[in-house]
Amino acid sequence: SQQGEEDPQALSIQEGENATMNCSYKTSINNLQWYRQNSGRGLVHLILIRSNEREKHSGRLRVTLDTSKKSSSLLITASRAADTASYFCATVFYGNNRLAFGKGNQVVVIP
Amino acid sequence: DAGVIQSPRHEVTEMGQEVTLRCKPISGHNSLFWYRQTMMRGLELLIYFNNNVPIDDSGMPEDRFSAKMPNASFSTLKIQPSEPRDSAVYFCASSWTGDETQYFGPGTRLLVL
Repeated sequence: SQQGEEDPQALSIQEGENATMNCSYKTSINNLQWYRQNSGRGLVHLILIRSNEREKHSGRLRVTLDTSKKSSSLLITASRAADTASYFCATVFYGNNRLAFGKGNQVVVIP
Repeated sequence: DAGVIQSPRHEVTEMGQEVTLRCKPISGHNSLFWYRQTMMRGLELLIYFNNNVPIDDSGMPEDRFSAKMPNASFSTLKIQPSEPRDSAVYFCASSWTGDETQYFGPGTRLLVL
């Protein structure tokens, strides 16, 4: 199955800074989603962007989608220590509701 | 709502033993997904059910793995016999038609010795 691929794999930033993660995929999608996973926990849905959308905001999160480049980015503004987690992008293809996950980005926010 | 419930949270067993993982989806959800997470392979979809019917089990690694969903509020993932390479965190997730997001349980951490 196709999977998103995040870049970079690990990011360490100071509290208050912005964190940006990228995700690429290989085939046409219905939508792309970002999830967060805190250490030892399940995944939590953050935001969904559809193939006909270019940008979406939710609180301190901003997601962009470039279908021509088959890529997406997740920006976390004014990061907090509580944002320390792994972030996964997941793509959904037309005709099914399966999620194909990327490998994940480890983000560490230093207080 | 209590969210997706998985049990046990941790399981340690010896190679060759049968392992049964359990999941209770969120009430009202009609799709259920089983995932496996390892450092090497990341998150892999094993199988998913819609209205209690298995739709896609192409991710099930081999015949040692089986999954059932006897009713809308309960699913099991069974490994028999278990092997050390099955050690991973197994997640269950649920969703409902019309909501494309999935809600994950806390996972079962399985260690096969």
